[in-house]
Amino acid sequence: EDKVVQSPLSLVVHEGDTVTLNCSYEVTNFRSLLWYKQEKKAPTFLFMLTSSGIEKKSGRLSSILDKKELSSILNITATQTGDSAIYLCAVEASGGGSNYKLTFGKGTLLTVNP
Amino acid sequence: DSGVTQTPKHLITATGQRVTLRCSPRSGDLSVYWYQQSLDQGLQFLIQYYNGEERAKGNILERFSAQQFPDLHSELNLSSLELGDSALYFCASSPLPQGFGEAFFGQGTRLTVV
Repeated sequence: EDKVVQSPLSLVVHEGDTVTLNCSYEVTNFRSLLWYKQEKKAPTFLFMLTSSGIEKKSGRLSSILDKKELSSILNITATQTGDSAIYLCAVEASGGGSNYKLTFGKGTLLTVNP
Repeated sequence: DSGVTQTPKHLITATGQRVTLRCSPRSGDLSVYWYQQSLDQGLQFLIQYYNGEERAKGNILERFSAQQFPDLHSELNLSSLELGDSALYFCASSPLPQGFGEAFFGQGTRLTVV
């Protein structure tokens, strides 16, 4: 059974701090790893990492995929209160034929205090 | 606003009943994905349709079914409802024919089974 584990489960920091969120996975036929940010309701897409794109950056957010260690990190520098959210990691795997599976971790709840 | 519209926003129904959730994708997106988010299971991928055809199947129960119509809107049908089906159901859309990537999520339908 595919497994995605995120750590820590929750984190409280002060504005301006840098945080690192972790995601490790055990899946068969890995295709990609995705990061989402979920604030009040709907998740929003942050990054997709694949074997051909193991590092992504957007503003203060960056992510790296380590295929050897079967893990990924999401870094947020100079955190702001608006970064407070649940960060979800998901791993896409081939399910055979044209089928694909997506398995989510439980998420990391980040709270950024002023 | 992601451009993905889900109706209704809230739904309360009794065990054993059947409900239909509706999703209108972003203009131009041919893929629709359905997800279920509950406190104990977290976020789970249910099913994907692309241009009317089923493309990927996740943890969708046999009591649940979905379809995508020629105008590209999609419906998720949940039958013989149980208390454990209470959850937030998200729809997402993307232009991708297969796999996952930058998908845009609707605000969800909160289903409460009593």
